[in-house]
Amino acid sequence: GAVVSQHPSWVICKSGTSVKIECRSLDFQATTMFWYRQFPKQSLMLMATSNEGSKATYEQGVEKDKFLINHASLTLSTLTVTSAHPEDSSFYICSAYDWVTSGANNEQFFGPGTRLTVL
Amino acid sequence: LAKTTQPISMDSYEGQEVNITCSHNNIATNDYITWYQQFPSQGPRFIIQGYKTKVTNEVASLFIPADRKSSTLSLPRVSLSDTAVYYCLVGGSGGYNKLIFGAGTRLAVHP
Repeated sequence: GAVVSQHPSWVICKSGTSVKIECRSLDFQATTMFWYRQFPKQSLMLMATSNEGSKATYEQGVEKDKFLINHASLTLSTLTVTSAHPEDSSFYICSAYDWVTSGANNEQFFGPGTRLTVL
Repeated sequence: LAKTTQPISMDSYEGQEVNITCSHNNIATNDYITWYQQFPSQGPRFIIQGYKTKVTNEVASLFIPADRKSSTLSLPRVSLSDTAVYYCLVGGSGGYNKLIFGAGTRLAVHP
């Protein structure tokens, strides 16, 4: 149980285009989803927190107009990288949380990640 | 959120016990200590969480001294498949919690 999927697993796009990444909780309803970015050999950096039906809360330094997050349902959150540039190339990971599913450990369930390459 | 400090890397051999220590001097009273494991090109996976003393599950043990300013993740009899990055995180347990990842410890298990 507690499976989170991401689609696509990898994407290559041209500079200036927009890319949408989906994050789905497959067997539970996620009240909260998080988006992270990870550059090679570096740690995960939290980008934003999204609650279903609410606007996402972005971490300091993350451009909300560039990284559009939509959490329209309890099982789906999307991250759209608008006008992507080569410096946006990274590994994007989502995680999902639900107080019932997460249990006493408040565990976040992570997706497998999406590797974005901007040419 | 309390900052954590871990060794950047560790090496071990198959069958050995590995202990990874994390320092969190500014841990708050309601903070829990959580460890995640990450394999290359995958999302992190929850390993264990504790508040004080010792916690054990099927994959690891977590030792937390009385002052809670540090914690030690213990992996018994590691195998090659335990080669990964291990992250120590500290935060509150109420409701959802932002996870702020530190640099983590890169563990390499050798044959």
